[in-house]
Parts: sequence; C-alpha cells; structure tokens
Amino acid sequence: DIVMTQTPLSSPVTLGQPASISCRSSQSLVFSDGNTYLSWLQERPGQPPRLLINKISNRLSGVPDRFSGSGAGTDFTLKISRVEAEDVGVYYCMQGTQFPYTFGQGTKLEIK
Amino acid sequence: EMQVLESGGGLVQPGGSLRLSCAASGFTFSTYSMLWVRQVPGKGLEWVSEISADGTRTYYTDSVKGRFSVSRDNSRSTLYLQMHSLRAEDTALYYCTTGYDGSPVDWGQGTLVTVSS
Repeated sequence: DIVMTQTPLSSPVTLGQPASISCRSSQSLVFSDGNTYLSWLQERPGQPPRLLINKISNRLSGVPDRFSGSGAGTDFTLKISRVEAEDVGVYYCMQGTQFPYTFGQGTKLEIK
Repeated sequence: EMQVLESGGGLVQPGGSLRLSCAASGFTFSTYSMLWVRQVPGKGLEWVSEISADGTRTYYTDSVKGRFSVSRDNSRSTLYLQMHSLRAEDTALYYCTTGYDGSPVDWGQGTLVTVSS
C-alpha cells in the first residue's frame, strides 16, 4: 500500500498569514495515463470532509483561490496564502492512483 | 445539487451483520463511481471500498476483504455496503461519496456503525 505522510501534524497560524502543509507518498503517484491523482480535503469541526483540490493543483468550484496545490511525483504541498478563521480544521492529502486509496494522517490547522 | 444520504448504521454485536445504504439525488447516479470512506470518531479517514459506475468492478481495503461487499442499484440511485463478521475495529462513521478522477467529491453526513457487546 502507498503510505502518505503529512507534515506538520499541527500548525498554529496567525490570521492573515500563510500556511503550508506537506504530503509525501511512499512511491510515485503518477498513473499510467500520465495523471497524478493527489487530492487535498478539508474537514471543518462538525462537518463532513470537503474536497478542495484534485490532481495536485485543480481547485474545485467554490474553493477560494487562497488555496493552492503543487508538487510532483512523491512530494506535494497545500498552501493557504492568507489564513482566515473559517480555515480552521483538519487537512488531509489522499492518493487515488493505486488501490487501496490512502490518506495522510491529517494536519490540524489552528489559529494562534 | 448533488446529494448523498447514508442510512442503516447502528449498534451491532461483534460477529454480526449490517447493511448500509446511500441514496443519491441531483445527479446521474449511473455515471459516477461511488466510494465508502470511514472515520473513527476523532481519528483520520480510511478508504473502504469503491464500485465502478456500472457496478462491474469493485475494490476493497485489505481489512474488509471477504467481509464487506459493495453493490449498487442504478435504477434506484442507491449504493449499498453489506458488512458481515463485524469487529470492534469496524466501529466508525461511514461516509458515502461520489468518485471522480480518483477523488471523493461529494460527501454525505455519514452513518455511525458501532460494534460492541
């Protein structure tokens, strides 16, 4: 199975400041079709998870443009350009390249 | 608006069985693969299973292979997860999601399964 490792596991951030979460996979996530099926999800307190970004950097409709994804191969990053109060929650990376799909452990974003 | 609504969770004894359902609306169900993802309360996410849009291909995480079975009824826009030989470690909130490009896109609120004597 592909192991997804996120760092940090906890990220205290000041409102208006940037935040960054890293995700590393134990093997390349490039699929045979050339796509890389790496997603980022947000879980706000008391709500189900929400898909923010898929295929490394494709932001879903309705997701604020302060969220961006980047990376390639085995190393990926989610960046929030300016953290807002509504961004508090847990963020997960997930690989959909190889079954079984696997998630990172989650990174808790909190306000300082 | 694409919506999925899970049901069927509850308290079951170890070794027991349960069938979860997921009713879909607001989209053409038969054109989407569907996933089950679970989450132990307060813990992380775990992918459980996926079924192709036409129901011919199914995939499972190792810990549920041989015990869980995913199926769908496209005429009823409903997804199922039949769970047998349940264990304490299957206790979790089970989410149904649409699948697209290897991602879980639209999530329900989840249904809680508790395995305990």
